[in-house]
Amino acid sequence: SQTIHQWPATLVQPVGSPLSLECTVEGTSNPNLYWYRQAAGRGLQLLFYSVGIGQISSEVPQNLSASRPQDRQFILSSKKLLLSDSGFYLCAWSARGNTGELFFGEGSRLTVL
Amino acid sequence: SQQGEEDPQALSIQEGENATMNCSYKTSINNLQWYRQNSGRGLVHLILIRSNEREKHSGRLRVTLDTSKKSSSLLITASRAADTASYFCATPGGSNYKLTFGKGTLLTVNP
Repeated sequence: SQTIHQWPATLVQPVGSPLSLECTVEGTSNPNLYWYRQAAGRGLQLLFYSVGIGQISSEVPQNLSASRPQDRQFILSSKKLLLSDSGFYLCAWSARGNTGELFFGEGSRLTVL
Repeated sequence: SQQGEEDPQALSIQEGENATMNCSYKTSINNLQWYRQNSGRGLVHLILIRSNEREKHSGRLRVTLDTSKKSSSLLITASRAADTASYFCATPGGSNYKLTFGKGTLLTVNP
């Protein structure tokens, strides 16, 4: 069966520090991969998606970047965090060629102080 | 931008009652999906309804889709305290690669 792992679960970082959130998927090949952010009381905002290794599409201009060094690995990064980067970050995957049902990780709570 | 918008934003009911949540969207879609999120957790896919379907059932869940009104509803029958969660509708935003979510309905089921 397919599983998705996301870490760390909780992170408290000072403004200006770097960020690295990691996500890996097991039990499937060539998944589409996604990073969403959820601000308090709001819906999910799609940040990045990837349809293959090294292929990253950015949905919103921001202080973040994403990379996909391996087929089932997706990394969200920042060189210098801003207060506005605080939020709940969710990694997700979907299978190629299907109707787009997403399978989410458990999320990473980032607080920038 | 938000494609789907859920209504109401919050709903509080007693155990055993039915809960109905609505979703409106703006552009043509080929499917609409509902997800559930327990507090502080990831989202879980509940059900998908295609544009050529009008109603779909899964256990205690019933989803309807009216493409002429660009709206969908999620009905949870005989609710339980464990149904307490936020519920989101999601639609493909331009392609099946990208799902766009609404802000969700927070459902509280009181025991």
